[in-house]
Amino acid sequence: ENVLTQSPGTLSLSPGERATLSCRASQSVSANYLAWYQQKPGQPPRLLIYGVSTRAPGIPDRFGGSGSGTDFTLTVSRLEPEDFAMYFCQQYGDSPLTFGGGTKVEIK
Amino acid sequence: QLQLHESGPGQVKPSETLSLTCTVSGGSIMIRTDYWAWIRQSPGTGLQWIASIHYSGRFYDNESLRSRVAIFVDTSKNQFSLRLNSVTAADTAVYYCVLLSREGRVDSWGQGTLVTVSS
Repeated sequence: ENVLTQSPGTLSLSPGERATLSCRASQSVSANYLAWYQQKPGQPPRLLIYGVSTRAPGIPDRFGGSGSGTDFTLTVSRLEPEDFAMYFCQQYGDSPLTFGGGTKVEIK
Repeated sequence: QLQLHESGPGQVKPSETLSLTCTVSGGSIMIRTDYWAWIRQSPGTGLQWIASIHYSGRFYDNESLRSRVAIFVDTSKNQFSLRLNSVTAADTAVYYCVLLSREGRVDSWGQGTLVTVSS
C-alpha cells in the first residue's frame, strides 16, 4: 500500500503566519489523486483540497496545495484563528485508500 | 444537502460482531458514479479506509480487513451497512460513514460513532 508520511507532527505558529505542511508518499501517487482534510476536535474531517491543488467548494484561497509524484505540500498563507486544527493528506489513486498520520497546527 | 448518520451499538464484546448502519438523507443513495464507504479513526492506527460500495452492489474492501468485513446496501431504505466480525480491542475506533467521489476522495462525512470493544 502507499504509505503517506506527514511532517512535522506539530507546527506551532501565530495567527497571521504562514503554515507549510508536508506529505510524502512511499510510491508515486497515481493521477495526482492527493487530497487534504482539516479536522477539529469532536468533528469529522473536512475536505480542503483535492487533485493536489483544487480547492473544495467554500474553501478560502489562503489554502493552497502543490506537489507531484511523491512529495506534496499544503500551504496556509496567513493563519486565521479557525485554522488551528489537525490536517491529513489522503491518496486515492490506488487501493487501499490511505491517509497520512496528520499534522497538528497549534497556536504558539 | 446530503447528510449521513451512523447508528449502532457503542460497545461490542471481544470476538463478537460489530454492526453499523448509515442512513443517507437529503438525497438518494443511488448516485450514479459515487461510492459509499466506511472509514475508521483511532489514536493507534489513524484514519483507515475499511470498504466501499456502489448502490449496484459492487464493492471494494481493504485487504487487511477483508476476512472479517462485509458491506452491503439497502436502496429501499437509503442505507448502507458494515459488519466486522471477530472484533478485538484494536477495532475500537470512531467509525465514519462517508460519500466517496468516483475517484475516491471523501466528499461528505457522517458525524462518526465511537465503538468500543470491551467485555
